[in-house]
Amino acid sequence: DQQVKQNSPSLSVQEGRISILNCDYTNSMFDYFLWYKKYPAEGPTFLISISSIKDKNEDGRFTVFLNKSAKHLSLHIVPSQPGDSAVYFCAASYSGAGSYQLTFGKGTKLSVIP
Amino acid sequence: NAGVTQTPKFRILKIGQSMTLQCTQDMNHNYMYWYRQDPGMGLKLIYYSVGAGITDKGEVPNGYNVSRSTTEDFPLRLELAAPSQTSVYFCASQVGGAVDTQYFGPGTRLTVL
Repeated sequence: DQQVKQNSPSLSVQEGRISILNCDYTNSMFDYFLWYKKYPAEGPTFLISISSIKDKNEDGRFTVFLNKSAKHLSLHIVPSQPGDSAVYFCAASYSGAGSYQLTFGKGTKLSVIP
Repeated sequence: NAGVTQTPKFRILKIGQSMTLQCTQDMNHNYMYWYRQDPGMGLKLIYYSVGAGITDKGEVPNGYNVSRSTTEDFPLRLELAAPSQTSVYFCASQVGGAVDTQYFGPGTRLTVL
């Protein structure tokens, strides 16, 4: 059973426009959410995170929104740049586990068209 | 400071062969993890370790073994390779409970034929 779901395998956006990547989760125990970016032949790299006590976190062009009641989070990239083209993974964790292990979604491939 | 390094980058195994995937980190992180990523799928946790001498199973541990004799090294052992183990394997390390400091290595692409 997938606990973290990214239902859009791919997304194409024009350079300069907003990219919105979505993620849903089913496990109410999750209390920390992260977005990772992955280029081909490289490992994932951390992008931005949000704690369950917040509903928004911003870092430059990247903003993550969390709607706990809907068990939904989204990543907004404004403005989108060609270098943002990559696979984006949503991940979730719960601190009570002690291991801080991450549960990942399947990823969304973002293509930013110049 | 090399971060997390993994060797080899690529490997082709025959069914039934064994191999060890190496992972080393030079950041003095206590927590280390092994994930696998199948095509079109997210990363799934195989094993993890919260410190030297301590290991535990993740979501998909069958067919694998790990050891953690030092803080730096966390090798993953495949004893009897099967086609279902064809995947990309990522090692990661983390500072204690700070999940947003989980750094990943570049991965090992393994094919079992």
